[in-house]
Amino acid sequence: AQSVTQLDSHVSVSEGTPVLLRCNYSSSYSPSLFWYVQHPNKGLQLLLKYTSAATLVKGINGFEAEFKKSETSFHLTKPSAHMSDAAEYFCVVSERTNAGKSTFGDGTTLTVKP
Amino acid sequence: GAVVSQHPSRVICKSGTSVKIECRSLDFQATTMFWYRQFPKQSLMLMATSNEGSKATYEQGVEKDKFLINHASLTLSTLTVTSAHPEDSSFYICSAPKETSSGYTFGSGTRLTVV
Repeated sequence: AQSVTQLDSHVSVSEGTPVLLRCNYSSSYSPSLFWYVQHPNKGLQLLLKYTSAATLVKGINGFEAEFKKSETSFHLTKPSAHMSDAAEYFCVVSERTNAGKSTFGDGTTLTVKP
Repeated sequence: GAVVSQHPSRVICKSGTSVKIECRSLDFQATTMFWYRQFPKQSLMLMATSNEGSKATYEQGVEKDKFLINHASLTLSTLTVTSAHPEDSSFYICSAPKETSSGYTFGSGTRLTVV
């Protein structure tokens, strides 16, 4: 069984300030973890993924996430927010023993203020 | 590589009619396809898993007679929303279990509006 908890439903930051979107997971097996972004009325875009290599994962658009097994966390960060980062973000866990069956977090809405 | 093509991207239909959504794996064979649904301002929830050559498996609470899934070939899976009602209006997205540099391969999604 697997589950994902995104700890914040809404995050608001000012442009140019750091972003932190929190995610905790639960998985019976070694998980693959992903962060996806969804802009309004658009599909899903992969930001980054963790699949058992380096624990600090760098993604697109300046985002990165750190896999911490001891804390079962996979928080998403960005040093400096841009207005275009405003969107919905999903943390996703997929069990490699059932590759492709993904469990999504409830999502975090990121608002960026000018 | 590893592209899943989903059509249509948007569809508006009248209440009581049926709508078919297609997902095709363009450059790989997909024996399994996952179908997800996203209601407005909510997360994506797994509806069902289609398996080529056998019956689909549905998640608890999903009506199999309403959401007909067919996986007729190794490259095509379809979801038919039968007798659609306004409450079926949602964003539907498929995913094939082929991990690529782009993550597990997702279709681009279908936004269904039932009026």
